[in-house]
Amino acid sequence: AQSVTQPDIHITVSEGASLELRCNYSYGATPYLFWYVQSPGQGLQLLLKYFSGDTLVQGIKGFEAEFKRSQSSFNLRKPSVHWSDAAEYFCAVGVDSSNTGKLIFGQGTTLQVKP
Amino acid sequence: GAVVSQHPSRVICKSGTSVKIECRSLDFQATTMFWYRQFPKQSLMLMATSNEGSKATYEQGVEKDKFLINHASLTLSTLTVTSAHPEDSSFYICSARQLYNEQFFGPGTRLTVL
Repeated sequence: AQSVTQPDIHITVSEGASLELRCNYSYGATPYLFWYVQSPGQGLQLLLKYFSGDTLVQGIKGFEAEFKRSQSSFNLRKPSVHWSDAAEYFCAVGVDSSNTGKLIFGQGTTLQVKP
Repeated sequence: GAVVSQHPSRVICKSGTSVKIECRSLDFQATTMFWYRQFPKQSLMLMATSNEGSKATYEQGVEKDKFLINHASLTLSTLTVTSAHPEDSSFYICSARQLYNEQFFGPGTRLTVL
């Protein structure tokens, strides 16, 4: 069965430090992979996505993610975290080959940023 | 990016009553809308997929008679929680998508059933 695992429920980093949020997926075919950020009172915002091609994907707000097929991972990174990055982050996989857009989400990682 | 709104943002109702939540795509036509449910500190669980003019497709374990979904136009989908009970209390999120394009998410509706 398809699934997405985010091993870290809560992460705290200092402002200016680097960040890596982990995501592992289970899916038989080539996955469509996404990272979303959820801030209180706002809808989920797409940070970046991977469909095919270059395995290092650049997104908005200085985020990037690397698809590693051998490890079934799609970890999110940012070289220098800002206080405004504190939010809930979700990894998701698109699982429908007929492209209806169905997504399976991971459990989410709460990012806290220390001043 | 495109904007999706939800109304209301919060609703409190008594057990046994029905509640309707609206999801609107404000600046684009959405061929598909999705309804998710999110429990505190947990993931989003897809409840149903709704295509304009068609019956919604519900995920396994979701009661279609409990959660009525209507997608009557390309900019509006509604979720009605019928005969709500305290266990239906949750955060309900919709998303909207143009054909083969990215999903855009609404801000969510917090439902509390007393």
